[in-house]
Amino acid sequence: DSGVTQTPKHLITATGQRVTLRCSPRSGDLSVYWYQQSLDQGLQFLIQYYNGEERAKGNILERFSAQQFPDLHSELNLSSLELGDSALYFCASSLREYTGELFFGEGSRLTVL
Amino acid sequence: GQSLEQPSEVTAVEGAIVQINCTYQTSGFYGLSWYQQHDGGAPTFLSYNALDGLEETGRFSSFLSRSDSYGYLLLQELQMKDSASYFCAVTPRGSNYQLIWGAGTKLIIKP
Repeated sequence: DSGVTQTPKHLITATGQRVTLRCSPRSGDLSVYWYQQSLDQGLQFLIQYYNGEERAKGNILERFSAQQFPDLHSELNLSSLELGDSALYFCASSLREYTGELFFGEGSRLTVL
Repeated sequence: GQSLEQPSEVTAVEGAIVQINCTYQTSGFYGLSWYQQHDGGAPTFLSYNALDGLEETGRFSSFLSRSDSYGYLLLQELQMKDSASYFCAVTPRGSNYQLIWGAGTKLIIKP
């Protein structure tokens, strides 16, 4: 158990819909990252927050947005969903802003039908 | 550009030793990380090499050579539970410190 909690674990929805994925980082960690992993693919970095502020953006679509709240939990919002958005979405956290040691949650598996 | 290359798949026998290589092209970085991911599971941090040389953690060791732009993960006394994908990643220097990830190596272990 990494200490990072993600909800929901599974989500099935239809094209065009909007979903929100939630992440609670490890206790004490200030940095939160979101990654997307499609079937049998690598990890695609989406976005990072550190202590409530956006730190870095990766290949995040305009239909996607995220935020980190004062209590350090984070949400990833996915809208106008397409079939290709079906993937595992991982949240990770770390104590430091820049580090090679990330702690990943179990992921939210999104299926868009 | 910055990139990391790993073999897509490696096969080994239970009880043996296997080495998973990671070569990189990057202008500069702080360190090389390794992660393990079982099918459908979360990536799990294994090791981080900030300096050249070998870091050992139980059955797993990781090596970095900056002069050769090369690193590897060494798994000894392979067990069936080691069947997983292994990712290398570097923490680059620069304005965006986001990890750069390799595509992953699927390790298949045969009895």
